[in-house]
Amino acid sequence: GAGVSQSPRYKVAKRGQDVALRCDPISGHVSLFWYQQALGQGPEFLTYFQNEAQLDKSGLPSDRFFAERPEGSVSTLKIQRTQQEDSAVYLCASSFSGQGVVGTDEQFFGPGTRLTVL
Amino acid sequence: SQQGEEDPQALSIQEGENATMNCSYKTSINNLQWYRQNSGRGLVHLILIRSNEREKHSGRLRVTLDTSKKSSSLLITASRAADTASYFCASRWGVTSGSRLTFGEGTQLTVNP
Repeated sequence: GAGVSQSPRYKVAKRGQDVALRCDPISGHVSLFWYQQALGQGPEFLTYFQNEAQLDKSGLPSDRFFAERPEGSVSTLKIQRTQQEDSAVYLCASSFSGQGVVGTDEQFFGPGTRLTVL
Repeated sequence: SQQGEEDPQALSIQEGENATMNCSYKTSINNLQWYRQNSGRGLVHLILIRSNEREKHSGRLRVTLDTSKKSSSLLITASRAADTASYFCASRWGVTSGSRLTFGEGTQLTVNP
């Protein structure tokens, strides 16, 4: 594809609902990252995949957050029992290189999913 | 907070003027990157500077890095109205591609025509 795509672009959820956010990385990109961006703030790291392996999930704020990338391509970020503090833009990024490559490769970001929890 | 700091938080200038944004970070880094974000859009990579570099240029952009002060600056020369956006620095401490980007809080730049 031409770039990283994310869906939906906007999601409104009632408190307590579960949501699923999708990321389609650039074809062939090994690494995939999820970031959370609160209003007026910079993005904060959530989790990282190398192919289908979730190598770092230290940024996930609670056990209500779960991410997967079962076939090493599309990834889904799931938030269970959403809370108002989960309201943010969720950004997905991918990069070509995998583990062991010097980390100067560029991360390409998707447009994000704006989640609003009422 | 895992984030660094940027200043100013907001900057308003006239078209044609130069814009300077500063960034500080907390840990040793492998490289530092600058991104632009237009309202409601994703992040666009602008420029990367490695820890062993002190200055880098790309078109109207000039980035400096001072590892002793753990700081970086982004200069946009001859600004245009289209440069209006939020600008973020992002530091990367690890050498593997799995190492995360740690973003600053951003500078909102407004270029008035």
